[in-house]
Amino acid sequence: GAGVSQSPSNKVTEKGKDVELRCDPISGHTALYWYRQSLGQGLEFLIYFQGNSAPDKSGLPSDRFSAERTGGSVSTLTIQRTQQEDSAVYLCASSLWTGGDYGYTFGSGTRLTVV
Amino acid sequence: KNEVEQSPQNLTAQEGEFITINCSYSVGISALHWLQQHPGGGIVSLFMLSSGKKKHGRLIATINIQEKHSSLHITASHPRDSAVYICAVLGGTYKYIFGTGTRLKVLA
Repeated sequence: GAGVSQSPSNKVTEKGKDVELRCDPISGHTALYWYRQSLGQGLEFLIYFQGNSAPDKSGLPSDRFSAERTGGSVSTLTIQRTQQEDSAVYLCASSLWTGGDYGYTFGSGTRLTVV
Repeated sequence: KNEVEQSPQNLTAQEGEFITINCSYSVGISALHWLQQHPGGGIVSLFMLSSGKKKHGRLIATINIQEKHSSLHITASHPRDSAVYICAVLGGTYKYIFGTGTRLKVLA
């Protein structure tokens, strides 16, 4: 597509429920990134994909968080047994390749509220 | 101390004013990115710099690699420029380190 598409744009869920957040990157972008911005905080790196593999999962805050990417395209971030501290804006970005020569394109984010 | 520091944290300006937002970092970088985040969370990439200066419309970004400092300037500011401006540095091959942002409000 023309840009990075994320869905849903807003999600309200009850504590303890599982949620899935979707990111559809720009066609041809091999690198895909997930970031999180909690209220009043800066952006926090979660996970990075190169193709379908995730060389760096170090930013995932707990084992309740997982992500996958299929076909080198769409990625899904899954949060199991959501907690209130999971409330944040989850941002996805993609780039042609890794490294400073290729800029990121960000999606507009999914605002997750856990009640 | 954060690896990426922005100043000021908050800025209110009158329409038409020249605005400068500063970013200092303490790590070696291969690139620096200026981002704009509007209310609602959407992020727009403004500039990516590895040296020198770039200009796009009323926006100008400069970087001094030796001093580990970058500035974002907005000329003839307008209320639609109101947003959070975020500096992000690329230290390795893929992992950006983000500043906490500068919240700009331009009054009509």
